[in-house]
Amino acid sequence: AQSVAQPEDQVNVAEGNPLTVKCTYSVSGNPYLFWYVQYPNRGLQFLLKYITGDNLVKGSYGFEAEFNKSQTSFHLKKPSALVSDSALYFCAVRDVDNFNKFYFGSGTKLNVKP
Amino acid sequence: NAGVTQTPKFQVLKTGQSMTLQCAQDMNHEYMSWYRQDPGMGLRLIHYSVGAGITDQGEVPNGYNVSRSTTEDFPLRLLSAAPSQTSVYFCASSQLTPSYEQYFGPGTRLTVT
Repeated sequence: AQSVAQPEDQVNVAEGNPLTVKCTYSVSGNPYLFWYVQYPNRGLQFLLKYITGDNLVKGSYGFEAEFNKSQTSFHLKKPSALVSDSALYFCAVRDVDNFNKFYFGSGTKLNVKP
Repeated sequence: NAGVTQTPKFQVLKTGQSMTLQCAQDMNHEYMSWYRQDPGMGLRLIHYSVGAGITDQGEVPNGYNVSRSTTEDFPLRLLSAAPSQTSVYFCASSQLTPSYEQYFGPGTRLTVT
């Protein structure tokens, strides 16, 4: 079965410190991995994706993510957190070998404190 | 471009009532999908479509119907609403090429009493 896991319900970080939001995946085929952000009462916004190539991908708002095939992980990172980064973050995988279904993690709430 | 639009934004239904959640996109995307978002459970795929006339079930299809008569529209029908269907519903669209991300609508908050 395909799945995505976000092991932390919440991550707290001080403004200016680096942040990491964790994601691991399990798919039967080649993974296409995505990160989305959701602000209160809004839809999801795309941040970045890994399709192939470099294991470190850069996205919007200074975010980046590291793909690790051996650990089946795709952690979201940012070198210096901002209070405005506080939101709900979702990791997702698109299993292109199985009917183009997307699977989302349960979400991680990021709190950045001044 | 308006992107992905959803109507209504809020809806309250009584148990047993039916209704249709509307979704439209103006990006000529082949792939469209419906999700429900529940606290602590992330987004779960209800139904999806890879083109006009083609639909398939996702993880949680029971109690919901979809159709895709045009590329632009992908309505979600609740045939007989139940309290368990209280949720926030999101529609999304994407190009069919696997490397493309999905674009999400603003959501519909549905309460079934």
